[in-house]
Amino acid sequence: DVKVTQSSRYLVKRTGEKVFLECVQDMDHENMFWYRQDPGLGLRLIYFSYDVKMKEKGDIPEGYSVSREKKERFSLILESASTNQTSMYLCASSPPGQGRDSYEQYFGPGTRLTVT
Amino acid sequence: AQSVTQLDSQVPVFEEAPVELRCNYSSSVSVYLFWYVQYPNQGLQLLLKYLSGSTLVKGINGFEAEFNKSQTSFHLRKPSVHISDTAEYFCAVSGFTGNQFYFGTGTSLTVIP
Repeated sequence: DVKVTQSSRYLVKRTGEKVFLECVQDMDHENMFWYRQDPGLGLRLIYFSYDVKMKEKGDIPEGYSVSREKKERFSLILESASTNQTSMYLCASSPPGQGRDSYEQYFGPGTRLTVT
Repeated sequence: AQSVTQLDSQVPVFEEAPVELRCNYSSSVSVYLFWYVQYPNQGLQLLLKYLSGSTLVKGINGFEAEFNKSQTSFHLRKPSVHISDTAEYFCAVSGFTGNQFYFGTGTSLTVIP
């Protein structure tokens, strides 16, 4: 079974703090993704990575950065958290496809981040 | 570019009744299609996928979906729902020409006892 884990299920941070969300997958997948999920908006892609040290912007990268130093780990960084970044963050991984394409994405349980 | 429209944001249905969750997509290229389910406080889990071949796809938990290319639809169906099917359902599309993987806005299915 593919396993994607995220470092925290719930996180509360203050405005202006630097926030790290960690994601680890154990299936040796090349592709990893970060989404945010908001009611009525579905999932929106923030960043994705198709290889170590490679990253591509998704649809809403503003206010976020990512790091992929090892194949199994993909970190999402909020440089200076703001209240409009309160959301559910979902990490996913997939076997190689063409860029963002993949046959299937495997998701972690999500991190519910609240910025106060 | 692709996009996905889930026509119903909420669908209430009585237990043991049939259900259909609608999904339409727009794309100028051929696509792969997916349905995911999200149970409360969990990540997304793949229900089924269409890559090629038979247009009727069967998935887990008794769900099935039919790919209709002329209507650009991929509706999800189950003949008899159970309380445990209460969840959020997402339709997704991926293009195999190097384009993007998009999710719909989701349909909340509530099964009423």
